[in-house]
Amino acid sequence: AQTVTQSQPEMSVQEAETVTLSCTYDTSESDYYLFWYKQPPSRQMILVIRQEAYKQQNATENRFSVNFQKAAKSFSLKISDSQLGDAAMYFCAYKDTDKLIFGTGTRLQVFP
Amino acid sequence: EAGVTQSPTHLIKTRGQQVTLRCSPISGHTSVYWYQQALGLGLQFLLWYDEGEERNRGNFPPRFSGRQFPNYSSELNVNALELEDSALYLCASSPSTSLRRETQYFGPGTRLLVL
Repeated sequence: AQTVTQSQPEMSVQEAETVTLSCTYDTSESDYYLFWYKQPPSRQMILVIRQEAYKQQNATENRFSVNFQKAAKSFSLKISDSQLGDAAMYFCAYKDTDKLIFGTGTRLQVFP
Repeated sequence: EAGVTQSPTHLIKTRGQQVTLRCSPISGHTSVYWYQQALGLGLQFLLWYDEGEERNRGNFPPRFSGRQFPNYSSELNVNALELEDSALYLCASSPSTSLRRETQYFGPGTRLLVL
């Protein structure tokens, strides 16, 4: 069965600095999708970025980028120029044929 | 474009009661997913509906059930509520999952408290 591991329960960063959140996963599949979702205090899950496993190029969305290492089964999220509004729980997720399998999340605090 | 909507936002029930949660997907999306986010247990997949049919369910007892209507909205029913059913229930939608690449977009959730 596929599993997703986020080994950092909490991270903190100063405003305008860069932070990297780690995620590893386990699968025997070769074609799959990976996602980072953000869950602010409002509890709504918001898509941050996604990566298709067959693409070697790392996905980028404005200040958010990923470092996807398929052989190592690693999928980290880099947030550049951190803003106070980035404070939230961040979940890494692996997409099977249908359902999402989530990691346990990393709580990101942003300090002014 | 309106996002995924869920109702109600909050709900308080007592043990043994039954509850129905509702979800309306993004217009054009035919797949609806339900997830449970319980304290200490993370996000767990509950159910997947597509084109009116239940396609898959997670490791939950049969008292968790649901359905999808012709307009693709969905209900999640939980019978014989137990204290551990207290959680945030999240609904997500996506276009047809005939393609694996489809992203799931989430609603704001329904917070259920069982006393």
